Amino acid sequence: AQKVTQAQTEISVVEKEDVTLDCVYETRDTTYYLFWYKQPPSGELVFLIRRNSFDEQNEISGRYSWNFQKSTSSFNFTITASQVVDSAVYFCALSGSSNTGKLIFGQGTTLQVKP
Amino acid sequence: DTEVTQTPKHLVMGMTNKKSLKCEQHMGHRAMYWYKQKAKKPPELMFVYSYEKLSINESVPSRFSPECPNSSLLNLHLHALQPEDSALYLCASSPRLEERSYNSPLHFGNGTRLTVT
Repeated sequence: AQKVTQAQTEISVVEKEDVTLDCVYETRDTTYYLFWYKQPPSGELVFLIRRNSFDEQNEISGRYSWNFQKSTSSFNFTITASQVVDSAVYFCALSGSSNTGKLIFGQGTTLQVKP
Repeated sequence: DTEVTQTPKHLVMGMTNKKSLKCEQHMGHRAMYWYKQKAKKPPELMFVYSYEKLSINESVPSRFSPECPNSSLLNLHLHALQPEDSALYLCASSPRLEERSYNSPLHFGNGTRLTVT
């Protein structure tokens, strides 16, 4: 079975604080991909990053960074110097060879950044 | 601006009405998806089309009827819905739905907020 767990339901920070969103996954596939999506109040799911199971390099994109650790089955997402515009629901998702076409989403973490 | 366009943005319908949701993409993607999202929940997959053919139906009730007239368009026909069907309906697309492309990120539209009264 495949599963994605985002234990943090809601996080509230003050602008300019750093914040880390946790994601833990379960899969028996040896090849799989992990994703992060952002869903602002407008509703659209915005793709942020994709990471495959063979690439454990961490990635940084501006204020965003991702830490993939296969040993702990985690794919955490850090926002540095958070801004009000970062307020949204963030979903971690998993796609593997055993479920082509299906994204397994976590329950989502609602991030509120206060000015 | 999203590259997947959904209309209408909001829809209110009675339980006896028939309505349709529309989705359009011009990225040349050959896989298109319908997702349903209830408040404070993650999206749930409903249907997947690959090369205009229905590839996945996640045991969705027959009151939801998908249609893919061509590679750019995806419709969801609604009939005799229940109040519990009220949700955000998201359309998405990806380049392909072949085995080796399960890594392709989905491109989502803004969704249609459906209220069934």
